Amino acid sequence: GENVEQHPSTLSVQEGDSAVIKCTYSDSASNYFPWYKQELGKRPQLIIDIRSNVGEKKDQRIAVTLNKTAKHFSLHITETQPEDSAVYFCAARSYNQGGKLIFGQGTELSVKP
Amino acid sequence: SAVISQKPSRDICQRGTSLTIQCQVDSQVTMMFWYRQQPGQSLTLIATANQGSEATYESGFVIDKFPISRPNLTFSTLTVSNMSPEDSSIYLCSVVGGGEKLFFGSGTQLSVL
Repeated sequence: GENVEQHPSTLSVQEGDSAVIKCTYSDSASNYFPWYKQELGKRPQLIIDIRSNVGEKKDQRIAVTLNKTAKHFSLHITETQPEDSAVYFCAARSYNQGGKLIFGQGTELSVKP
Repeated sequence: SAVISQKPSRDICQRGTSLTIQCQVDSQVTMMFWYRQQPGQSLTLIATANQGSEATYESGFVIDKFPISRPNLTFSTLTVSNMSPEDSSIYLCSVVGGGEKLFFGSGTQLSVL
């Protein structure tokens, strides 16, 4: 089945710097890749997603890139702010497996003012 | 996005007892899933709740321990049976809406003494 690896597990940046989180997946049939942000004590919130027919997607300070050949995708946050501090999860969906989402291990991002 | 109500929001239970978690969605949804999030960990899929038929369980999860009901397209329950301290986790229901986006309920924080 699908396996998603996420790195790094923790990331600390200065306010205003960029942050990059990377994920790899194993199932070449996966075609949908969302990213979630989870603040302490709250539910995971979808922040951006990308389908396999697109190489890059941007939404204000957040962008996601996808390399299908290498089976990896990345989340880029520019001009980080303290409120970006949270745990971020990547995920992959393969319709070979009934459309379920498989999540990476998570990255705890800390943005220092 | 769908509004997903989950209750209880938290509970403290004695080992050997059972707890039923309810998930109510404000619109009909085809796909509904139950996830577990152990302290400081990622999201692990327990099962897919199928309307009108038995749930589909992931490896490591069995119906006797986590029975699931889905009587209609807006409601599901997850029961955690014969609880032990290892069952202490956050349990999240989730639904697919807006195409293929997955949205989470507010979660149930379970502590087993």
